[in-house]
Amino acid sequence: QVTLKESGPMLVQSTQTLTLTCSFSGFSLNTNGVGVGWIRQPPGKALEWLALIYWDDDKRYNPSLKTRLTISKDTSKNQVVLTMANMDPVDSATYYCAHRQLRQAAFDFWGQGTLVTVSS
Amino acid sequence: QSALTQPPSASGSPGQSVTISCTGTSSDIGGYNYVSWYQQHPGKAPKLMIYQVTKRPSGVPDRFSGSKSGNTASLTVSGLQAEDEADYYCNSHAGSNNFEFGGGTKLTVL
Repeated sequence: QVTLKESGPMLVQSTQTLTLTCSFSGFSLNTNGVGVGWIRQPPGKALEWLALIYWDDDKRYNPSLKTRLTISKDTSKNQVVLTMANMDPVDSATYYCAHRQLRQAAFDFWGQGTLVTVSS
Repeated sequence: QSALTQPPSASGSPGQSVTISCTGTSSDIGGYNYVSWYQQHPGKAPKLMIYQVTKRPSGVPDRFSGSKSGNTASLTVSGLQAEDEADYYCNSHAGSNNFEFGGGTKLTVL
C-alpha cells in the first residue's frame, strides 16, 4: 500500500533554511503520471499548497512562496526533499507530503505530517 | 487569506443532509474540473473524499457527493453520521502553477 512519512527538524531559528524529507513506499516516482507534493497547515488554520514534483522532474511552486522553495527527488531512495529558505515564525506549521496522480488531479495519500516551529 | 471561500461552519442533525460551498473564480473552480475535497479530523492528516468535482475514491461512502456550478463547488453529506464531524477543505487547480485550498469548514453533527 502507499505510505508517506515526513522527517526533519522540529525547531528551526528565524532566517535559517528548513529541509524536510518525504520518504515513501508503495509507488515509484519513475512511474508516468505520479507526483509528490508538499502542503502545510499552521496551528488552527487552513491548508496551504507549497510545491509539487512529477515523475518527469517537472516542478511546480506556490507563486507566493516560489522564491523561497526548492523541491527535488531521489528516485533511488524513494524520497522527495523540500527546502524553504529564510524561515520566519509565521512559517510554523505542520508540513505534509502527499501522493498525486496527474489523471486524478488530487492528493490521494498523505503522510502523518511533521510539526515545525520557528523561533525568533 | 485563502483564495477559495468556504463558510467557517456548517451543522446538521444525524440523518440530515448538509452542503458545504466553495467559491472561487473563473481562473480556478470555474476554469477547470479539478476540484477535490478533503476531510480532516482533529490531529489527523487530511483524507481525500472527492476528486474531479464528482468522483469518489474507493472506500469513501456514497453519502458524500460533489458538484459544481459556475465558480462554486459544493460537497454534500447525506445521512449525517457522528463520524462525519470534521473539518472539510476544498482544493482547485488554478493554472499550471497553483493548487489552491479553501479556508476550511468545520462540520458539526448536532
